[in-house]
Amino acid sequence: NAGVTQTPKFQVLKTGQSMTLQCAQDMNHNSMYWYRQDPGMGLRLIYYSASEGTTDKGEVPNGYNVSRLNKREFSLRLESAAPSQTSVYFCASRPYANYGYTFGSGTRLTVV
Amino acid sequence: DQQVKQNSPSLSVQEGRISILNCDYTNSMFDYFLWYKKYPAEGPTFLISISSIKDKNEDGRFTVFLNKSAKHLSLHIVPSQPGDSAVYFCAASGGSWGKLQFGAGTQVVVTP
Repeated sequence: NAGVTQTPKFQVLKTGQSMTLQCAQDMNHNSMYWYRQDPGMGLRLIYYSASEGTTDKGEVPNGYNVSRLNKREFSLRLESAAPSQTSVYFCASRPYANYGYTFGSGTRLTVV
Repeated sequence: DQQVKQNSPSLSVQEGRISILNCDYTNSMFDYFLWYKKYPAEGPTFLISISSIKDKNEDGRFTVFLNKSAKHLSLHIVPSQPGDSAVYFCAASGGSWGKLQFGAGTQVVVTP
């Protein structure tokens, strides 16, 4: 049982480049989330998908787009990377209400 | 505007002693609280939770206390073990499908 799988684990981008972070869960969870972790800031919500076919903005959505491809997959896209997007990105999923999230192991992104 | 605050960025405790981690929140609509543990290069893992209808929840060496009037919760780890050295995040949500909001984290170091 893999849980939540994120790819890639590491990435270095040049300013202005684009990339897509992939996330897949095999637990049949309804809701999926993208967070970023920065020193002293904790985890901040970028976008989420409450169920297949829906997506909504979180706390820090600027510069990002998402796609809920199907129930399993939720991708995060950076169209034009900026140094301020250097961070560790975590994908998470949740099966139902009032339940904790299961997190992936993260993608460490550096934008130079 | 961080609604979940962990004011102690770090905590050092001797093996076998009690670790007490604190968390304050400002949003009175929060009704579900969780603690996550995070090791380096891994995603956060769920530790323990409590709903607002309770004031205490225990799971083995871990106990979470909730003081709603003070908008404060704490995590007690007794006894502390070297494997408890990690970053601990407090999180809160409001409503059944509320999104989790996280504190900045507390780095715990358990010394021999």
